[in-house]
Amino acid sequence: KAGVTQTPRYLIKTRGQQVTLSCSPISGHRSVSWYQQTPGQGLQFLFEYFSETQRNKGNFPGRFSGRQFSNSRSEMNVSTLELGDSALYLCASSRTGSEQYFGPGTRLTVT
Amino acid sequence: GENVEQHPSTLSVQEGDSAVIKCTYSDSASNYFPWYKQELGKGPQLIIDIRSNVGEKKDQRIAVTLNKTAKHFSLHITETQPEDSAVYFCAASNGAGGSYIPTFGRGTSLIVHP
Repeated sequence: KAGVTQTPRYLIKTRGQQVTLSCSPISGHRSVSWYQQTPGQGLQFLFEYFSETQRNKGNFPGRFSGRQFSNSRSEMNVSTLELGDSALYLCASSRTGSEQYFGPGTRLTVT
Repeated sequence: GENVEQHPSTLSVQEGDSAVIKCTYSDSASNYFPWYKQELGKGPQLIIDIRSNVGEKKDQRIAVTLNKTAKHFSLHITETQPEDSAVYFCAASNGAGGSYIPTFGRGTSLIVHP
């Protein structure tokens, strides 16, 4: 069974730009969650989607948004990028909601 | 909200030794405790988990214990091997509404010396 895939793997953007990251979950998994990982803050929950609906949201500003499509694929968008948005963005999928399987992440660098 | 403390931040052992990583949590409603292993350049990998109705769980060289009263849970790795070197994260969550949103510890960098 194929694992969680994320594209692109690496991205360099300039302050003020926006970015869209993509995640394809494991086949049959309807829950997709997004996390931000930084050396300073560790692993932080961004949001979770289940059956195209946002089920939970973490404590991040409205510049961070996401969506899920009918095939469970998900995208997250960050608008008006700031230097502090530089991070590894991880996507995780789950069939049951508890056991989460992570993708390799997208490394975003904001200059 | 939930707060998870993880210790130590770095653990260095010789190949063949055992390694123990400890976590504490604050929310007594938490009922699901996964452990993840993250190797360089990769996403976290679920290696073992435990639910609040169980005190211990084993999977080959890995075991996890949970003390609900003290709000402690620990990861035990026996007969460590160099390929066990990685960063390990503990997490705690509760399945409110069928959704498990984990709060992660800050991670433990395990180094296994050959």
